[in-house]
Amino acid sequence: DAGVTQSPTHLIKTRGQQVTLRCSPKSGHDTVSWYQQALGQGPQFIFQYYEEEERQRGNFPDRFSGHQFPNYSSELNVNALLLGDSALYLCASSLDQGGYEQYFGPGTRLTVT
Amino acid sequence: AQSVSQHNHHVILSEAASLELGCNYSYGGTVNLFWYVQYPGQHLQLLLKYFSGDPLVKGIKGFEAEFIKSKFSFNLRKPSVQWSDTAEYFCAVIHYNTDKLIFGTGTRLQVFP
Repeated sequence: DAGVTQSPTHLIKTRGQQVTLRCSPKSGHDTVSWYQQALGQGPQFIFQYYEEEERQRGNFPDRFSGHQFPNYSSELNVNALLLGDSALYLCASSLDQGGYEQYFGPGTRLTVT
Repeated sequence: AQSVSQHNHHVILSEAASLELGCNYSYGGTVNLFWYVQYPGQHLQLLLKYFSGDPLVKGIKGFEAEFIKSKFSFNLRKPSVQWSDTAEYFCAVIHYNTDKLIFGTGTRLQVFP
């Protein structure tokens, strides 16, 4: 049973560029959440997708957007990259039952130069 | 704003010592509580969770946590730590009405043989 997978593992981008990160949820899960983990900090909730729609959103600007596909996989897009966007981006999947445990992927390390 | 506080940022112990990591949250109402662990080079893994019932919950690898509603606390304990417990530990909370997992800043545990 495959767990949550994310691609790519590492990414280096320049300020102002755009980036797309990808996530495949754990088998049987239908809900995907994205988190940003800056160095030395806990993960911060970006948004959550269910039934191909954004269901909840954290305190992140509109530069952060996402998408969920019919097979439940998801993408995180960040436009107009800033140096402060450098972080580990984590994807987590869960079942749509509200408040239940989330399974995390290994993350994508984004460096903005 | 809803928040989770982990008071111990860095804990250093010798093997066989006892461990207690503090976690307090600022929510009122019904919450689900989690402890996640991040071993060096690995992704976040669920250590234990509390949804309802017995406030003393047992997790993997000999860890346990006690939910004290009156103190808004969910402290993590282990009677005797091992070198392999060296990792970053994160407390997290979900308000039952949302799926937004709120993390603390984490506690880095170092165990020396």
